[in-house]
Amino acid sequence: DIQMTQSPSSLSASVGDRVTITCRASQGIGNYLAWYQQKPGKVPKLLIYAASTLQSGVPSRFSGGGSGTDFTLTISSLQPEDVATYYCQKYNSAPFTFGPGTKVDVK
Amino acid sequence: EVQLVESGGGLVQPGGSLRLSCAASGFSFSNYAMAWVRQAPGKGLEWVSGISGSTYYADSVKGRFTISRDNSKNTLYLQMNSLRAEDTAIYYCAKGQGRTSYWFDPWGQGTLVTVSS
Repeated sequence: DIQMTQSPSSLSASVGDRVTITCRASQGIGNYLAWYQQKPGKVPKLLIYAASTLQSGVPSRFSGGGSGTDFTLTISSLQPEDVATYYCQKYNSAPFTFGPGTKVDVK
Repeated sequence: EVQLVESGGGLVQPGGSLRLSCAASGFSFSNYAMAWVRQAPGKGLEWVSGISGSTYYADSVKGRFTISRDNSKNTLYLQMNSLRAEDTAIYYCAKGQGRTSYWFDPWGQGTLVTVSS
């Protein structure tokens, strides 16, 4: 099975900083990658699908990139409401594995 | 508005069984893949099972869990047998995108399953 990794596992940044999270697949998955945001105590929310397509209603400061095995989620200007754990997920074929998550905090 | 409402969680002893349900509304249920995703306390998300025309399972639950759906009732199910302590988690129902697309939006509020003696 394809394994998903994320780095870093956690980060702390200042409001207004540019933040980038990396997701890596152990084998190529094309652009079959989604990103989710889970705020503390809340249900996961879809941010991006097809590696770079922003879900309707998601702020434009979020963007995704990459294909094959290496992907990124970028927050162009970190806001206090972006405190959350971010997960990538592959969906090219089963198992539809999630990455271990990246916890983002604001300094 | 799409709504997913899970039910059926609770406390069960190791080796026991439980059936989760997810009542769906606001979309044409039969035309979409559906899935169960779980989250153990303080841990990350783990995809458990999915169903479209076929069914799929994580290795951790294969042979113990069975996913099914009743399109006439717009309801998704997860039959969980031979439960273990490590199955303790919040179980989320999630809607796929299209008949065979397994990225998920939206998610239900979740139902808590606790496996303990």
